[in-house]
Amino acid sequence: DGGITQSPKYLFRKEGQNVTLSCEQNLNHDAMYWYRQDPGQGLRLIYYSQIVNDFQKGDIAEGYSVSREKKESFPLTVTSAQKNPTAFYLCASRNAFSTDTQYFGPGTRLTVL
Amino acid sequence: QKEVEQDPGPLSVPEGAIVSLNCTYSNSAFQYFMWYRQYSRKGPELLMYTYSSGNKEDGRFTAQVDKSSKYISLFIRDSQPSDSATYLCAMSADYKLSFGAGTTVTVRA
Repeated sequence: DGGITQSPKYLFRKEGQNVTLSCEQNLNHDAMYWYRQDPGQGLRLIYYSQIVNDFQKGDIAEGYSVSREKKESFPLTVTSAQKNPTAFYLCASRNAFSTDTQYFGPGTRLTVL
Repeated sequence: QKEVEQDPGPLSVPEGAIVSLNCTYSNSAFQYFMWYRQYSRKGPELLMYTYSSGNKEDGRFTAQVDKSSKYISLFIRDSQPSDSATYLCAMSADYKLSFGAGTTVTVRA
């Protein structure tokens, strides 16, 4: 089955802790994206990567970090510097040689206690 | 002003009704237009994708784009309770998507 997996589905974190969200895809897509979704708001772009070993900041990158060491993996770290990290986090990927359409994973719900 | 405006609803319709969803946008650079459906606590799934102005039909779904008015629509015919979800419009420029806030739709049996 081709697709995007995110883990864990639910994550709880204490204030002051860093936490890493996993995103893996087996679609052979070059581009990968991280979004944050809050109630009543659209998806907001955190970081994106067009190719391995390269990534760019999105609209709300402060307090987050990413790496792209492998084509199929794009983990997101939510650092203690992120002031309001409780949200639903979505990973997406895109075939760089096709359309602009992005395909999403199932999401990770992060709650800061 | 947001780049993409979408009425958040909620919208409640009886089964079998036509659902009409709309988004307006301000950025003329947007080239591709998409509609995603998102069930509660799930990731969005792509419903429709269009490039040019005009209509595109796929089963019970019709996507409409009017670039001159910067306005896109999604129509769902013969709506079913399984269509109850949040519908997100999205538009792309420079390989990045900008999303509307989403419209929550409930189809009553």
